[in-house]
Amino acid sequence: GAGVSQSPRYKVAKRGQDVALRCDPISGHVSLFWYQQALGQGPEFLTYFQNEAQLDKSGLPSDRFFAERPEGSVSTLKIQRTQQEDSAVYLCASGARGETQYFGPGTRLLVL
Amino acid sequence: AQSVTQLDSQVPVFEEAPVELRCNYSSSVSVYLFWYVQYPNQGLQLLLKYLSGSTLVKGINGFEAEFNKSQTSFHLRKPSVHISDTAEYFCAVSGGPFNQGGKLIFGQGTELSVKP
Repeated sequence: GAGVSQSPRYKVAKRGQDVALRCDPISGHVSLFWYQQALGQGPEFLTYFQNEAQLDKSGLPSDRFFAERPEGSVSTLKIQRTQQEDSAVYLCASGARGETQYFGPGTRLLVL
Repeated sequence: AQSVTQLDSQVPVFEEAPVELRCNYSSSVSVYLFWYVQYPNQGLQLLLKYLSGSTLVKGINGFEAEFNKSQTSFHLRKPSVHISDTAEYFCAVSGGPFNQGGKLIFGQGTELSVKP
């Protein structure tokens, strides 16, 4: 079956622009996670949804970062007024009720 | 709080040789442990996981790992590597199921480079 998909795969933004990154989880997966992976680093947790409820947003680095999942399926991570330090790969993962997360290919964001 | 330390940032090895990628974790609670592999410009693929039970866990592509609670380690091993195993490997820990602290805490990664 289809895995987790993310779009766009690559995004170049000018500093100060707003961006929106999309994640389509595996069908039926109630849990959805966002991670940020800086160059040469391991992924770092941003936020977690169970269905449409955002249960943990402790990893969001600033109030410029906002995530939503209004119908409990597709999720969007929005970054307002992008800064150069936001340049990273943004990974989305989904899972059924349990413990194993399945990752998408990521969106590589470059802020100039 | 939980943390993961991958002791080697780079591991070069010749094809068909054995390899061990080291991972140590710290946690005040019981944990789940994972190894993921990341090929260039791709997402993370699950290699194996330890949730409970047998401390020796077998995964895909001939990899296995052993959970050692006393040494708080979860080292990844393969008896004979292939060129296609060249990739970045991440060890990760979580505190339980998704709704009980299930976010993953990752190590910094180990770059495995298999040479002919």
